[in-house]
Amino acid sequence: GQNIDQPTEMTATEGAIVQINCTYQTSGFNGLFWYQQHAGEAPTFLSYNVLDGLEEKGRFSSFLSRSKGYSYLLLKELQMKDSASYLCASVDSNYQLIWGAGTKLIIKP
Amino acid sequence: ETGVTQTPRHLVMGMTNKKSLKCEQHLGHNAMYWYKQSAKKPLELMFVYSLEERVENNSVPSRFSPECPNSSHLFLHLHTLQPEDSALYLCASSQDWTNTGELFFGEGSRLTVL
Repeated sequence: GQNIDQPTEMTATEGAIVQINCTYQTSGFNGLFWYQQHAGEAPTFLSYNVLDGLEEKGRFSSFLSRSKGYSYLLLKELQMKDSASYLCASVDSNYQLIWGAGTKLIIKP
Repeated sequence: ETGVTQTPRHLVMGMTNKKSLKCEQHLGHNAMYWYKQSAKKPLELMFVYSLEERVENNSVPSRFSPECPNSSHLFLHLHTLQPEDSALYLCASSQDWTNTGELFFGEGSRLTVL
């Protein structure tokens, strides 16, 4: 079956760095997305990786290893506004999005 | 107005009621989606429309009935729902339905079935 695993909840301190991991098992692969969702709001796009490596976008970076079926989202210089759920989703060979259940990130002062 | 807008934001209905959720996108996208989001569960794709034609129906109960009158509007008609249908219903749009481009989500309609 197809599956996405990511931690349910993580806690980090303001100003620190946090890494949110995502492992995927899908039939075929056409890329991996990360979305951010604040409580009561719409998910918003953060990144899309289809090739191995690290892509940096300001304080946020996303990494992909296709051979390991693994991705992570790295958040630097954490701010209180980064408290949100982070959703990982893989695109399979039929171009279907397979979603993880999301990681709730709690930022403490 | 830009982006994807959904109405109503909150809806409470009894199991015998009939109601509809509305979604509108002003992005010129060709694909529109209905997702169900329940607490601590992955997003569940319900329906996909591409250029007003349904391309995906993931074994959704018939008490949910989608309608896409044009590429900018999407409806989800609800009737004789069950309490387990209580959830956040998200509408999204994208340039096309191949899921290699960014999805733009609305803020959702929070549905409570009594």
